[in-house]
Amino acid sequence: EAQVTQNPRYLITVTGKKLTVTCSQNMNHEYMSWYRQDPGLGLRQIYYSMNVEVTDKGDVPEGYKVSRKEKRNFPLILESPSPNQTSLYFCASSIDRGTEAFFGQGTRLTVV
Amino acid sequence: EDQVTQSPEALRLQEGESSSLNCSYTVSGLRGLFWYRQDPGKGPEFLFTLYSAGEEKEKERLKATLTKKESFLHITAPKPEDSATYLCAVKVRSSNTGKLIFGQGTTLQVKP
Repeated sequence: EAQVTQNPRYLITVTGKKLTVTCSQNMNHEYMSWYRQDPGLGLRQIYYSMNVEVTDKGDVPEGYKVSRKEKRNFPLILESPSPNQTSLYFCASSIDRGTEAFFGQGTRLTVV
Repeated sequence: EDQVTQSPEALRLQEGESSSLNCSYTVSGLRGLFWYRQDPGKGPEFLFTLYSAGEEKEKERLKATLTKKESFLHITAPKPEDSATYLCAVKVRSSNTGKLIFGQGTTLQVKP
């Protein structure tokens, strides 16, 4: 089954404790991205990747890092999480930057 | 500034009562317009892609149309299982990021 898989689905952590949210797709898509969804603000792009070893900032990249060492994986790293990063996070992939994106099930992160 | 606006914010229908959701956009150049369905706590599920004015796509009780300024998602004889938030998003030609610019969504409730 074609899918984007994120882990974990739920995470509660403390301020400053580094964490990684994994994302993997099995569709051989070149383009991947991370979004966060907040009430009243909608979905906003954090980072994106055009291909392996090619990543760039989206609209809200502060406090986040990403890497793309393999085509299928695109982890999101929070080196020192803060409470304002409490949000619902989605990973998405698409064939290229112009086509429809397929989303993972989401990771609900709470930073206390 | 590229912008997507959806209306209404919320819509309540009786089962079988057809209606339409609106997505208006002001962008520098449309690369594509996308409709998604999102259930609470889950990732957006892809429904349709529209690329040019006059284009129409259908899937079961849903039909999406596109003009130069807006898109409509028509729901014919809805059922309770159609209850969800419907998101409209665009990709613009002027951006190399491939990001989706989302509207705030329309939350649809269909009562039996």
